[in-house]
Amino acid sequence: NAGVTQTPKFRVLKTGQSMTLLCAQDMNHEYMYWYRQDPGMGLRLIHYSVGEGTTAKGEVPDGYNVSRLKKQNFLLGLESAAPSQTSVYFCASSRGGLMNTEAFFGQGTRLTVV
Amino acid sequence: DAKTTQPNSMESNEEEPVHLPCNHSTISGTDYIHWYRQLPSQGPEYVIHGLTSNVNNRMASLAIAEDRKSSTLILHRATLRDAAVYYCILRDEGWGGGTSYGKLTFGQGTILTVHP
Repeated sequence: NAGVTQTPKFRVLKTGQSMTLLCAQDMNHEYMYWYRQDPGMGLRLIHYSVGEGTTAKGEVPDGYNVSRLKKQNFLLGLESAAPSQTSVYFCASSRGGLMNTEAFFGQGTRLTVV
Repeated sequence: DAKTTQPNSMESNEEEPVHLPCNHSTISGTDYIHWYRQLPSQGPEYVIHGLTSNVNNRMASLAIAEDRKSSTLILHRATLRDAAVYYCILRDEGWGGGTSYGKLTFGQGTILTVHP
């Protein structure tokens, strides 16, 4: 069972470069999320999606864009990377957005912006 | 949003039970108590959740106080593989763009060290 797969696992960017992180889930989940985790801190929600074709801002959306063209994929884009975006990025999915469901997380993408 | 308070770290010996406490004195009646854990260099992993009654699954047990202002995650026999950061989270209802989503707000968690 693949679950939630993130691509790539590691990436180094130069300031100002752009990139797209891909998240794919094979559980037919409606809800998908992008989090970032900085050293010694908990996860913070960047953007989320409640279904194909929908996206919404989370707690720290600035500098990021997302798209959910297909139900199984959730893309996170950095148009002009900044050193402050150096972080580990986690994608998650859940069957529903209700409070009684569990979220499944990917293994993370470690991004360094120099 | 209701907050949770956990000890920064705890230690245990292998094959002994571990009780991880969590205080959530401002919990609302509809907040579910969720526990996730994060092993080194991995994404968070769901452990267990509950609302009012104690819950058991293959990984752990969740004991919820009668007033719901605190809860305890119980690992019955700790193994080295259980060494992780454990997060106690009140999954509340977030709203954005007119749509509800289950908001998971991660705090600092408890770093559990398991000694052989």
